[in-house]
Amino acid sequence: DAGVIQSPRHEVTEMGQEVTLRCKPISGHDYLFWYRQTMMRGLELLIYFNNNVPIDDSGMPEDRFSAKMPNASFSTLKIQPSEPRDSAVYFCASSVGTEAFFGQGTRLTVV
Amino acid sequence: KQEVTQIPAALSVPEGENLVLNCSFTDSAIYNLQWFRQDPGKGLTSLLLIQSSQREQTSGRLNASLDKSSGRSTLYIAASQPGDSATYLCAVRSHGQNFVFGPGTRLSVLP
Repeated sequence: DAGVIQSPRHEVTEMGQEVTLRCKPISGHDYLFWYRQTMMRGLELLIYFNNNVPIDDSGMPEDRFSAKMPNASFSTLKIQPSEPRDSAVYFCASSVGTEAFFGQGTRLTVV
Repeated sequence: KQEVTQIPAALSVPEGENLVLNCSFTDSAIYNLQWFRQDPGKGLTSLLLIQSSQREQTSGRLNASLDKSSGRSTLYIAASQPGDSATYLCAVRSHGQNFVFGPGTRLSVLP
């Protein structure tokens, strides 16, 4: 398996634009997590899914953020409209059982 | 709410030294604890996973221990090498099934 795949690896966008981050989990994994990493706040959980169903989205900062998992092999995290304070590295992770595996992350810069 | 801390925040050692990284968590009702390594600009690589029923896990020069009752875990690195330089993160998985991360320890091993 190629591991957790995220795209794009880097995204630079202007304030106010819509941004969509994508994640393909490891096949057979039933949990999918979206994290955000910044220097100030470290790794923060945004939302996670179990069997494609959102379980906890309490970490989503505000209504500008939304996440979907239409099937077991794909998830998106959308920010609309984007703001400079959304600049961070966004990680997707998946797990089955107990161990988590992370993607390489998407570095988002909002100017 | 689970909180995870790591000490020290940064560590610089000469090559060949044995070293210990510390992780503490506030809620002992955990499923497991996982240690990760993160290289600059990269994703997270899983190093060791300790189930709540286990006391320690070993992989090569790495040994991780878990004392659930006291809310502590240590990562022991033997005979450190410059290639070990990275940020080391611990993450605790609780009953909510999500992972809570510590802020990390930034390790530099000097040749």
